Amino acid sequence: SYVLTQQPSVSVAPGKTARITCGGNNIGSKSVHWYQQKPGQAPVLVIHYDSDRPSGVPERFSGSNSGNTATLTISRVEAGDEADYYCQVWDSSSDHRVFGGGTKLTVL
Amino acid sequence: QVHLMQSGSEVKKPGASVKVSCKASGYTFIDYYLHWVRQAPGQGLEWMGWINPNSGDTYYVQKFQGRVTMTRDTSISTAYLELNGLRPDDTAAFYCARDFDHLLVFGYWGQGTLVTVSS
Repeated sequence: SYVLTQQPSVSVAPGKTARITCGGNNIGSKSVHWYQQKPGQAPVLVIHYDSDRPSGVPERFSGSNSGNTATLTISRVEAGDEADYYCQVWDSSSDHRVFGGGTKLTVL
Repeated sequence: QVHLMQSGSEVKKPGASVKVSCKASGYTFIDYYLHWVRQAPGQGLEWMGWINPNSGDTYYVQKFQGRVTMTRDTSISTAYLELNGLRPDDTAAFYCARDFDHLLVFGYWGQGTLVTVSS
């Protein structure tokens, strides 16, 4: 089955840019979605179809996807962005929804 | 607005069964598949499968086949996840989720139901 690999943790100072990556075999040929999950809460969609932002998600959140890596970029990071972030794709070969292992974003 | 309301936390003994509900509102229940996602404490998200509320058809990830049953009651717009033969390592939060506008992405989530399995 298709595997998505995320770095376990990323740390960034407030006001700086955080980049969270999601690796997968030829992931650029798939559509990648990103979810934010804060402690004790359900996940929330922040980016879908590689780079589209749902209504209400700040413009500071952006996404890209090419080759074997998709990236979630959070500009001008705020304390409230501290959360776990998960990438997710639909694997057409298995018709499965697949999640990455998650990345914990720490705001220093 | 779309809302998925799940049942409350459960504490079960090993070997028991648990049934979690997910009540949908704000849209036509039978128009969208509902998915279930598991999250063990401190761990990541794990997709379990889906139910088609219109037909009742289901799909379970192989890992959960034989122990999981997904059902629905269209009269009350509610989907259910039943897990049998509970083990301590089944302790997890379970989320129901719905796609966003028929796109293959989870745009709406229930608040989660924590199931604790302990003797």
